Amino acid sequence: AQSVAQPEDQVNVAEGNPLTVKCTYSVSGNPYLFWYVQYPNRGLQFLLKYITGDNLVKGSYGFEAEFNKSQTSFHLKKPSALVSDSALYFCAVRDRISSGSARQLTFGSGTQLTVLP
Amino acid sequence: DAGVIQSPRHEVTEMGQEVTLRCKPISGHDYLFWYRQTMMRGLELLIYFNNNVPIDDSGMPEDRFSAKMPNASFSTLKIQPSEPRDSAVYFCASSLLGGFTDTQYFGPGTRLTVL
Repeated sequence: AQSVAQPEDQVNVAEGNPLTVKCTYSVSGNPYLFWYVQYPNRGLQFLLKYITGDNLVKGSYGFEAEFNKSQTSFHLKKPSALVSDSALYFCAVRDRISSGSARQLTFGSGTQLTVLP
Repeated sequence: DAGVIQSPRHEVTEMGQEVTLRCKPISGHDYLFWYRQTMMRGLELLIYFNNNVPIDDSGMPEDRFSAKMPNASFSTLKIQPSEPRDSAVYFCASSLLGGFTDTQYFGPGTRLTVL
């Protein structure tokens, strides 16, 4: 079975400071990992994904995420936060060895990021 | 491309009424997904289709829910009869392929309120 945990419901950070949104995962095999962002009254927007290769993945809007296999983590980061980054962030995982419907994404519960001016 | 299109964006109905949510996936995408988002349960996969065929509907909460995909450019999620606990945001998503690395693209959602 695959699962993903976002341990923080809420993250507050001052504008201009670095931000981190945490995600840990559990899979039987190797993971494919995704980050999505949801702005108020909008659908989820894809930010970035880890498939293989470089552990540091760069995505949209200056975001990046680091895959850490030993810690089973895939934390989302940004060097300098903007007020416009305030949104709900979802981590998602798919187990590489899964089949059928189990190949579909499992989403975390979401982390509300608030960037304070 | 216009992205995934959903209608209506908001739906308010009374308990017992039939509700139909609509989705147009991104052209050329072979997979279509229906999700439900609530505060209590987060984002749940209800059903997904591959080439218009339902593959897994194990997430559909009960028989009151049904989904169809009559062609590659249109899908519906129907609730009959609706109940207050069905109030949620319903998302449709599509992906080009169903592979492990493929990205799902989400529509803006339909906010359903059942009174």
